[in-house]
Amino acid sequence: DQQVKQNSPSLSVQEGRISILNCDYTNSMFDYFLWYKKYPAEGPTFLISISSIKDKNEDGRFTVFLNKSAKHLSLHIVPSQPGDSAVYFCAASGGGSQGNLIFGKGTKLSVKP
Amino acid sequence: DAGITQSPRYKITETGRQVTLMCHQTWSHSYMFWYRQDLGHGLRLIYYSAAADITDKGEVPDGYVVSRSKTENFPLTLESATRSQTSVYFCASRLHPRTGELFFGEGSRLTVL
Repeated sequence: DQQVKQNSPSLSVQEGRISILNCDYTNSMFDYFLWYKKYPAEGPTFLISISSIKDKNEDGRFTVFLNKSAKHLSLHIVPSQPGDSAVYFCAASGGGSQGNLIFGKGTKLSVKP
Repeated sequence: DAGITQSPRYKITETGRQVTLMCHQTWSHSYMFWYRQDLGHGLRLIYYSAAADITDKGEVPDGYVVSRSKTENFPLTLESATRSQTSVYFCASRLHPRTGELFFGEGSRLTVL
């Protein structure tokens, strides 16, 4: 029973355009959400987070939107760059998760020059 | 060096052997975690620890043992390795249980023949 779902295994975007990665969750008790980026042969690295008391958080080219009523969050990357090509994981915390993060299966983003 | 380090980075073993993956962090974070990453499954929690001498099972604990005698170390042991335990293992730590990011190590790639 997946609590965090990333329904798109892959996404291909042209350099300079917007990348939108989506994530859905089922546990309404989750109160903190994060996005991680992962390159091959490296550990996941933190990208951006959002608390459930907010609906938007921005950091440079990266913006995360949270829609609590729809239990949906999205990561926008504008403009996309070839170096953004990686696997992106959505994660959620709270709801009795004891400090650990519940991860989605990831979306592989390819940004083409 | 400051941070979270895992060893070995690569390990090949045979079915039935015992294997221990080491994890060391220098931040004195209370919370530590072991995840495994498999194609089609994303990151799944094996075990976590809220403090020294406090550990608990995650989503996929079968076949694994952990200990945490010191805050900075969190070794993961496969007591009798099986082929299904071929995976990439990530150790992570976190300062707070509800907010803030998890910091990941670079991963340990384990192959069980």
